[in-house]
Amino acid sequence: EVQLVESGGGVVRPGEYLRLSCAASGFTFEDYAMAWVRQVPGKGLEWVSGINWNGIYVYYADSVRGRFTISRDDAANSLNLQMSSLRADDTALYHCVRGPYARDPYWYFDHWGRGTVVTVS
Amino acid sequence: EIVMTQSPATLSVSPGNRATLSCRASQSVSINLAWYQQKPGQAPRLLFYAASTRATGIPARFSASGSGTEFTLTISSLLSEDFAVYYCQQYNTGPLPSFGGGTKVEIE
Repeated sequence: EVQLVESGGGVVRPGEYLRLSCAASGFTFEDYAMAWVRQVPGKGLEWVSGINWNGIYVYYADSVRGRFTISRDDAANSLNLQMSSLRADDTALYHCVRGPYARDPYWYFDHWGRGTVVTVS
Repeated sequence: EIVMTQSPATLSVSPGNRATLSCRASQSVSINLAWYQQKPGQAPRLLFYAASTRATGIPARFSASGSGTEFTLTISSLLSEDFAVYYCQQYNTGPLPSFGGGTKVEIE
C-alpha cells in the first residue's frame, strides 16, 4: 500500500523558515516524480513545487520560486521542502503527492498524503 | 498560465439523482485533465486522468468526458458518500499543473 506521511509543519513568524518532509513507502520511490500541493483551509488546491524522478529537474509555482527548495533523498525514501522567507499567505495544509512514473510526462497525482499544517503568523 | 474554471461552485442534489460538474480551461489542454474528490478531513483522491480514464477502484457511477477546453464529470446516481468537493486539474503544461477552484456537491 502506498503511503505518504508528511511532517515538519508548525507555527512560525513571517520571514522565518520551516522544513517539511514526506516519508514514502509502499512503492519504489526513486522511480517516481513527486510534488507538493497546498490547500488553504476551506479553499482550493494550489500546486507548489515538483521534482522529477531522478532529482535533476525541479519546478516551482511563481508564488514560491526563490523562497522554497524541493529535494529528494532516494536512500531514505523522503521528499523535502525547505521553505524560507515565509509569508502569511503561505499558511496552508501542505500535501505530499506522487507524480508520474519515470519519464512519463503526465503530471497528475495518484496518491496524496494527509498533509502537514503550516501557519505563518 | 492555464486557468481552470469549475462550475457551479456549489451543486445541490438529492441522493439518487444525477450530478453534472463542469470544468473549463482558458486554453486547450487536449485530454490532459484529471478529476479529484475530496471529503471533509481527507486528502483528495484521484478519480479520473486523461479526461475519461477511471482511476483504480472508482465506481462505474462516475464518468468523465471532454477534450480541449470543456470537460464534464458526471455522477449518475448520487450516494451519500459522494457528497464532497470535486476538483479538476490540467497537466498539459507538464510539471506546472493548475487546479480548478472546486465544486461542492451537497445534499439538497
